[in-house]
Amino acid sequence: AQRVTQPEKLLSVFKGAPVELKCNYSYSGSPELFWYVQYSRQRLQLLLRHISRESIKGFTADLNKGETSFHLKKPFAQEEDSAMYYCALKASGSRLTFGEGTQLTVNP
Amino acid sequence: KAGVTQTPRYLIKTRGQQVTLSCSPISGHRSVSWYQQTPGQGLQFLFEYFSETQRNKGNFPGRFSGRQFSNSRSEMNVSTLELGDSALYLCASSLDRDIRGTEAFFGQGTRLTVV
Repeated sequence: AQRVTQPEKLLSVFKGAPVELKCNYSYSGSPELFWYVQYSRQRLQLLLRHISRESIKGFTADLNKGETSFHLKKPFAQEEDSAMYYCALKASGSRLTFGEGTQLTVNP
Repeated sequence: KAGVTQTPRYLIKTRGQQVTLSCSPISGHRSVSWYQQTPGQGLQFLFEYFSETQRNKGNFPGRFSGRQFSNSRSEMNVSTLELGDSALYLCASSLDRDIRGTEAFFGQGTRLTVV
């Protein structure tokens, strides 16, 4: 069975500071990892996926298979980054296994 | 193009009743998944439908069921409602189910309150 762990429920940083949201997973096969974000009063939406190796809104995430991690990073946080962030794993089909989520607050 | 649409947005039901929630996926998307979101349990997978067939099922009791129609629209049903079924129910649609990196698009959810 697959499992996703986000150890921090709450994370607070100041504007301009670096931010890292941690995500660890357990899965015996070759997983697909995603980060989804939910801004206040908006629907859950994709932020980035490991397979694309992209940078979205300044965020990046690298899949580390040795450490089974997929941490989300941004060098300089902005106030508009305040949101709920979910790490998700897709093992088969369209089924996503989500972590518990991290509420990020960026203070002015 | 229109996003994933869920109806109704809010529902209040009494214990013991049943409820049906509806999801219209993005046009052309064939895969529909359902999730239950609660403060205590987070986002939990309910089931996945593709081409009118259930392909995956989460760890929920048989009171939770669903179906998908030929136009990919999906419904989920909860019978004999319990207080613990109060949650936000999210529907997600994807273009396909086995293509790596396929994005899931979420609806705004149906907020179900059981009293």
